[in-house]
Amino acid sequence: GENVEQHPSTLSVQEGDSAVIKCTYSDSASNYFPWYKQELGKRPQLIIDIRSNVGEKKDQRIAVTLNKTAKHFSLHITETQPEDSAVYFCAAKDDKIIFGKGTRLHILP
Amino acid sequence: KAGVTQTPRYLIKTRGQQVTLSCSPISGHRSVSWYQQTPGQGLQFLFEYFSETQRNKGNFPGRFSGRQFSNSRSEMNVSTLELGDSALYLCASSLPGQEVGQFFGPGTRLTVL
Repeated sequence: GENVEQHPSTLSVQEGDSAVIKCTYSDSASNYFPWYKQELGKRPQLIIDIRSNVGEKKDQRIAVTLNKTAKHFSLHITETQPEDSAVYFCAAKDDKIIFGKGTRLHILP
Repeated sequence: KAGVTQTPRYLIKTRGQQVTLSCSPISGHRSVSWYQQTPGQGLQFLFEYFSETQRNKGNFPGRFSGRQFSNSRSEMNVSTLELGDSALYLCASSLPGQEVGQFFGPGTRLTVL
């Protein structure tokens, strides 16, 4: 069945450095790729998304890139801050939305 | 504008019982989708409703069902509860024309004993 693989499962980054989280998907019909941030004990929050007809999208310190040929997409966070510490989920959607298992991002002081 | 709300926030049931969870979307949002979140399986899509019609369904058994009312409020029902149904159940709402999962509610924490 359809699958979304997310790596790494845990990532520790020095404050101010960049963080990159990568996802691959199996369903070539997927056309929508959102990213969510979930802080401990809180609800998921959509932080950025990209459609299959776009290769890259940026919103302040956050960017997402998509390679449809290779079926992978990545989240890039620059100039990381303590409030970026959270679990990040990628997802891919054709008719159904499939989530990756999440990446726990730690920002080290 | 009020966010997505879910009731109840916490629920304890025993195996074999059934449960109904409620989700009220943001005003004007007509799409409501439901998700199960567990430590082992992560986030999984249950189903999506739009204008009272189920638009998509995830890979869950028939014990999981839902519906949407004319005011866009949605309920999901789980019958014959199993221990493995213990999870955080989240709903999300979206405006017409938006993709699913735009704004999440706080979730209902279901514990099955």
